[in-house]
Amino acid sequence: DGGITQSPKYLFRKEGQNVTLSCEQNLNHDAMYWYRQDPGQGLRLIYYSQIVNDFQKGDIAEGYSVSREKKESFPLTVTSAQKNPTAFYLCASSMGLEHGELFFGEGSRLTVL
Amino acid sequence: AQKVTQAQTEISVVEKEDVTLDCVYETRDTTYYLFWYKQPPSGELVFLIRRNSFDEQNEISGRYSWNFQKSTSSFNFTITASQVVDSAVYFCALSESANFGNEKLTFGTGTRLTIIP
Repeated sequence: DGGITQSPKYLFRKEGQNVTLSCEQNLNHDAMYWYRQDPGQGLRLIYYSQIVNDFQKGDIAEGYSVSREKKESFPLTVTSAQKNPTAFYLCASSMGLEHGELFFGEGSRLTVL
Repeated sequence: AQKVTQAQTEISVVEKEDVTLDCVYETRDTTYYLFWYKQPPSGELVFLIRRNSFDEQNEISGRYSWNFQKSTSSFNFTITASQVVDSAVYFCALSESANFGNEKLTFGTGTRLTIIP
């Protein structure tokens, strides 16, 4: 089945450690996105990529990094510089058509101990 | 700046009742797009509808209907004869015309809907 796969589903890390969240899609979509979801705050955009080897900062990029070496993959690294990393992270993709719908993965819940 | 307000944080209704989820938006653009997404307990958001600012016709899809009123900047979502499977968090979102794709999608804070059997 076509879709977006995020891993791991749950992740615990100690303060000061970097962690990488995986996002893979087999929908042949050009655009990919990372959102952060916090209780009562909706979804906020971290980074997005419209094409391989190119990505742009979203509204809350500080403390995060991404890469887009392959069309189907868009990993997110939460660095130790992120002050409050505990959150639910959602990866999404779209065909890149203007204002097209987003397709989401099931998310990764990161908890910093 | 664009903004989406979902004033209802949580709603609970008994199964088979109708329920309306409110969405009010702010934008300076004359061309924009509005969306509704459903987030079931599994976590992924599921696309429900997209509507552009030039199309104010109401939309009906099975038990779901949407009422778009530019005069009040609202895009409300009604579920008729609710079912337990409708229990989820529902997000309203806005994309302005200046954005490529919808990477600048602005989401509301969501409404948690619980259908009581």
